[in-house]
Amino acid sequence: EAQVTQNPRYLITVTGKKLTVTCSQNMNHEYMSWYRQDPGLGLRQIYYSMNVEVTDKGDVPEGYKVSRKEKRNFPLILESPSPNQTSLYFCASSPDRLFAEAFFGQGTRLTVV
Amino acid sequence: ILNVEQSPQSLHVQEGDSTNFTCSFPSSNFYALHWYRWETAKSPEALFVMTLNGDEKKKGRISATLNTKEGYSYLYIKGSQPEDSATYLCASVPTSGSRLTFGEGTQLTVNP
Repeated sequence: EAQVTQNPRYLITVTGKKLTVTCSQNMNHEYMSWYRQDPGLGLRQIYYSMNVEVTDKGDVPEGYKVSRKEKRNFPLILESPSPNQTSLYFCASSPDRLFAEAFFGQGTRLTVV
Repeated sequence: ILNVEQSPQSLHVQEGDSTNFTCSFPSSNFYALHWYRWETAKSPEALFVMTLNGDEKKKGRISATLNTKEGYSYLYIKGSQPEDSATYLCASVPTSGSRLTFGEGTQLTVNP
């Protein structure tokens, strides 16, 4: 089954403790991206990747890192999480940039206390 | 940052009613307009991707139109059903294809 898989689905952590949210797609898509969803602000892009080893900042990259060492994986890294990073996070992939529809993961609800 | 706006913010209709929502977007540097359906506790699912001025797409009782010159898209739902209850998101894509800029969505509730 074609899908984008995020892990974990839920995470409660403490300020400053490094964490990684994994994202994997099995559709051989070149494009992958991360979004955060906050009430009243909609979905905002954090980082995106056009292909392996090619990543770029989105609209709200501060406090996040990403890597794209393999086509299928695009982890989101929070080196030192802070409470303002409490949010719902989505990973998405698309065959060729965003000229076609994006496929979203199930979401990761992160709480930083 | 492109400013994508959706209206109304929320909408309550009765089963069987037809309804429509609006998405407005800057028409400069525009490549495509995406519509997604997002049910609570699930992930957004694509409904349509439209690129050409005058595009019309249809999927069952849901259809969408695109006007790139004036920068708006309409989503129509004919004969709403309770299972249509969801948040409907639109997002614009620039010519680089690098990002989706989302509106805040229209939350639709269909009462039986």
